[in-house]
Amino acid sequence: QSVLTQPPSVSAAPGQKVTISCSGSSSNIGNNYVCWYQQLPGTAPKLLIYDNNKRPSGIPERFSGSKSGTSATLGITGLQTGDEADYYCGTWDSGLSTGGVFGGGTKLTVL
Amino acid sequence: QVQLQESGPGLVKPSQTLSLTCIVSGGSISSGGYYWSWIRQHPGKGLEWIGYIYYSGSPSYYNPSLKSRVTISADTSKNQFSLKLSSVTAADTAVYYCARGTTSSTWFGPWGQGILVTVSS
Repeated sequence: QSVLTQPPSVSAAPGQKVTISCSGSSSNIGNNYVCWYQQLPGTAPKLLIYDNNKRPSGIPERFSGSKSGTSATLGITGLQTGDEADYYCGTWDSGLSTGGVFGGGTKLTVL
Repeated sequence: QVQLQESGPGLVKPSQTLSLTCIVSGGSISSGGYYWSWIRQHPGKGLEWIGYIYYSGSPSYYNPSLKSRVTISADTSKNQFSLKLSSVTAADTAVYYCARGTTSSTWFGPWGQGILVTVSS
């Protein structure tokens, strides 16, 4: 069981917009920055969003992040077939199980 | 830019110690501001943070569920850091990634390509 909760899968058509949610608690998302990772099939995760809503160099503006309370959301607009991947949220947990924590991952299918 | 590469045996026998090394290139682990991290992914599953260490050796933080079996160390002379996981079982079969974390936030990046370690006799 992952500390952060994500939907197992989402899908949308090319060109459309999709959002992926990530739910946590006050000991993790509520008091720490959230980041998002993209894992293309057979590859290592890549940092997509950090500090809730910042994009590393080279990440398109189509990807956005937001946080409210103990939840966070990843948004992807103008979906492309190359966006098909697993997406993970991550943060730090300052509670009983102190350390890095991740969501269980969301499989994005671009129909 | 900084690149990380895992190395080590792909097969470990049950009850033995898993040992992996992460070689860092394009930057120094001694530059400060970063934690050097290990993360694993069981086959077909999500990500599990194992722990990380500062280049000086302190502080270090470990996943409470693995803490009794994990040691992470850093070798600044070789610009690399290592993972040891003792008393392994089949449940430790996973892809192991090394990654750079930051002391000022919660993100990890870049990541190594990962190495599959299978625990089997």
